[in-house]
Amino acid sequence: EVQLLESGGGLVQPGGSLRLSCAASGFTFSTYAMNWVRQAPGMGLEWVSVISGSGDSTYYADSVKGRFTISRDNSKNTLYLQMNSLRAEDTAIYYCAKKWANYYFDYWGQGTLVTVSS
Amino acid sequence: QSALTQPASVSGSPGQSITISCTGTSSDVGGYNSVSWYQHHPGKAPKFMIYDVSKRPSGVSNRFSGSKSGNTASLTISGLQAEDEADYYCSSYTSSSTWVFGGGTKLTVL
Repeated sequence: EVQLLESGGGLVQPGGSLRLSCAASGFTFSTYAMNWVRQAPGMGLEWVSVISGSGDSTYYADSVKGRFTISRDNSKNTLYLQMNSLRAEDTAIYYCAKKWANYYFDYWGQGTLVTVSS
Repeated sequence: QSALTQPASVSGSPGQSITISCTGTSSDVGGYNSVSWYQHHPGKAPKFMIYDVSKRPSGVSNRFSGSKSGNTASLTISGLQAEDEADYYCSSYTSSSTWVFGGGTKLTVL
């Protein structure tokens, strides 16, 4: 059974940093690209970033480019999102999602809440 | 990249059918057949419901179907059941090698 478990969320001040983790199990982690998707309060889903299975290719939404860094440790079956220069508009539930068939997100975690506030 | 446009809410009675629309542009929905739909019960993990516009992953009920015409994709749920009450999101791959989601539609089963 595929399981994705996010952690690392919390309250952080504007301008601060936070690192999210996503522990994966139930599939061959290194074979699949992984994504981060977020949902701000009362808003819809927003794709944030993707990383290839090997970790050598990454893409970002314009809203986080230059501030967030996606990475993975295939030896630990773990996905990361390093978030720097955080803004109030980054407040959201952050989900990790497994990529499937090039274009889809077939499994998701339950999310971790990030609140950016002074 | 602007979010895809979905109605904020739809409703229907048990046994009825509803359709949720998802409108984008030629750079996303209209340009690719990589449209998908996700069911989200708040507080839980989103569930993958439709891919390639109209295909269902294994285990998804055949009461769920998808279609596309031009820049607008649609999700139809037939034989509404109480457990279908949830938020539904469409998604499309884009010409920028990124993904865009819709704003979400809250389905209420009356």
